Amino acid sequence: EDQVTQSPEALRLQEGESSSLNCSYTVSGLRGLFWYRQDPGKGPEFLFTLYSAGEEKEKERLKATLTKKESFLHITAPKPEDSATYLCAYDERVGGSGGSNYKLTFGKGTLLTVNP
Amino acid sequence: GAVVSQHPSWVICKSGTSVKIECRSLDFQATTMFWYRQFPKQSLMLMATSNEGSKATYEQGVEKDKFLINHASLTLSTLTVTSAHPEDSSFYICSAAGPKNTEAFFGQGTRLTVV
Repeated sequence: EDQVTQSPEALRLQEGESSSLNCSYTVSGLRGLFWYRQDPGKGPEFLFTLYSAGEEKEKERLKATLTKKESFLHITAPKPEDSATYLCAYDERVGGSGGSNYKLTFGKGTLLTVNP
Repeated sequence: GAVVSQHPSWVICKSGTSVKIECRSLDFQATTMFWYRQFPKQSLMLMATSNEGSKATYEQGVEKDKFLINHASLTLSTLTVTSAHPEDSSFYICSAAGPKNTEAFFGQGTRLTVV
């Protein structure tokens, strides 16, 4: 069964202490791996989409990487405002190639807390 | 990125009543919108996929008669929770496929509490 697993469930860092979040997946024919940030009581905020092994994307202190089995979200010198739940999801596209009806399946997320 | 607006952000209703939640794509046309449900400390669970001008596709275990979805235009989808019960209390979130169809943008979410 296709699934996505995130680890750790929760992570506490000191400001400036770099670390990585993991998202492992077992999907046949991955069409996209997404990372989102979610603040309490809010909808997810889009961060990155990765499509192929070896791909990397960066945004400020965040860098996402992808292998054939997992994705990492690296956080460099985090700040308290980076505290949030980080979600990964894979794209299970339906409706044939090029179809618009893609479907995201989410992991449970990693709750990141950055202490000042 | 593209903006998706969801309204209301929270609602409290009495058991047995119906509640409508709106999801709008503000600066792009969304042929496909998605409705999710999220319980505390749990992942987002897809409830249904809504395509403009056609019937929604519901995920297994989601009651289509209880969660009515209407996608009447390219910028608006609505979710109506009919005859709500306390167990329907949850965080409901919509998303819309972006213009490039390579990403999904989410609304702010609606906290529904049924008393």
